[in-house]
Amino acid sequence: GQSLEQPSEVTAVEGAIVQINCTYQTSGFYGLSWYQQHDGGAPTFLSYNALDGLEETGRFSSFLSRSDSYGYLLLQELQMKDSASYFCAVRDKQAGTALIFGKGTTLSVSS
Amino acid sequence: DTGVSQDPRHKITKRGQNVTFRCDPISEHNRLYWYRQTLGQGPEFLTYFQNEAQLEKSRLLSDRFSAERPKGSFSTLEIQRTEQGDSAMYLCASIHSGANVLTFGAGSRLTVL
Repeated sequence: GQSLEQPSEVTAVEGAIVQINCTYQTSGFYGLSWYQQHDGGAPTFLSYNALDGLEETGRFSSFLSRSDSYGYLLLQELQMKDSASYFCAVRDKQAGTALIFGKGTTLSVSS
Repeated sequence: DTGVSQDPRHKITKRGQNVTFRCDPISEHNRLYWYRQTLGQGPEFLTYFQNEAQLEKSRLLSDRFSAERPKGSFSTLEIQRTEQGDSAMYLCASIHSGANVLTFGAGSRLTVL
């Protein structure tokens, strides 16, 4: 089976840097994805890591360590609009091609 | 390309009634997924189609739930004899095989009274 663990809530102020961690257990690993979801909105893709290391996309970066079954999403220069839920997700061999999502981390950015 | 469309956006029904949701994926995407999401939780996988073939179903999917994708384009998700526990957001997503980015629709919110 598969499981993902991430913190339920994180708070920060504008301009700060936040790291959201994700640990996972899968029966076959195909990559770690991150999605963002604003209240009432659809999840939207942020990043995907298949190999170890850091992927940077603007203010957001994502890191993966396959040996540690661990990844994180790094958000820099936080803005109010970054207040949202962030989900890590994996494709697991037992679930076929479906993405399995964690419970999500609610990020609250204040001024 | 207008993205993934879902209809209706909101549905309120009484317990025991049947409901059907429709999803129109991005046209060139051959894979379509249904997820369910409740408040404070991540999307929970329900079922998946590649073209018109339903290839996977979650073990959590009750036999009251059925999904179709008759021509490999739009899909429907039907819930029979709804229960209050079925109240949730039903999300549809599509992707082209080999890609890594799921595109979600805005969802259909079901409230069962």
